[in-house]
Amino acid sequence: NAGVTQTPKFQVLKTGQSMTLQCAQDMNHNSMYWYRQDPGMGLRLIYYSASEGTTDKGEVPNGYNVSRLNKREFSLRLESAAPSQTSVYFCASSERGRGYTFGSGTRLTVV
Amino acid sequence: GQQLNQSPQSMFIQEGEDVSMNCTSSSIFNTWLWYKQDPGEGPVLLIALYKAGELTSNGRLTAQFGITRKDSFLNISASIPSDVGIYFCAGPPGGTSYGKLTFGQGTILTVHP
Repeated sequence: NAGVTQTPKFQVLKTGQSMTLQCAQDMNHNSMYWYRQDPGMGLRLIYYSASEGTTDKGEVPNGYNVSRLNKREFSLRLESAAPSQTSVYFCASSERGRGYTFGSGTRLTVV
Repeated sequence: GQQLNQSPQSMFIQEGEDVSMNCTSSSIFNTWLWYKQDPGEGPVLLIALYKAGELTSNGRLTAQFGITRKDSFLNISASIPSDVGIYFCAGPPGGTSYGKLTFGQGTILTVHP
């Protein structure tokens, strides 16, 4: 099925541990995004990649890094996880403002 | 950053009732998107609006792009239990037509059978 695939679906980390969230899309979209969702706050943009080879900070980039590995894949890395990064993370892709599609999310708990 | 103010924050309705929610901004938007999120899932696009004044339907859902370009409305007619979820408005900020999205806080809809 065409769409955005995120892995893992669930993860528990200890404070200070690192991990990478993976995202891949098969719709040949140029733009990809990472959002986090917290209760009552909607979705907030962490980083985005307008096209392969470019990345830019969003609204809440502190504590995160990203890599646009190729046109299909866009990963999000937490170098030293903190409890404030407990959240649900969504990857999305789009093409020239159309077809915004979200993955099913990664539920991360930092203890 | 720019904010989208969505209201109401939550709604509790009986099956069969109509639902209205809206989204406002202090700045203009060139695109308005309405998403629904089911529990444990990612947001799914319901309706996309690209022109001021545009009125678009998707089954029982109707959305409108406000003529001031600073607001949008979503109506659901004859609600059913599967309409339960969180509804988000979203759009590319800064007067752009595409790119990163700004989201409203969401409207939580509960439908009682």
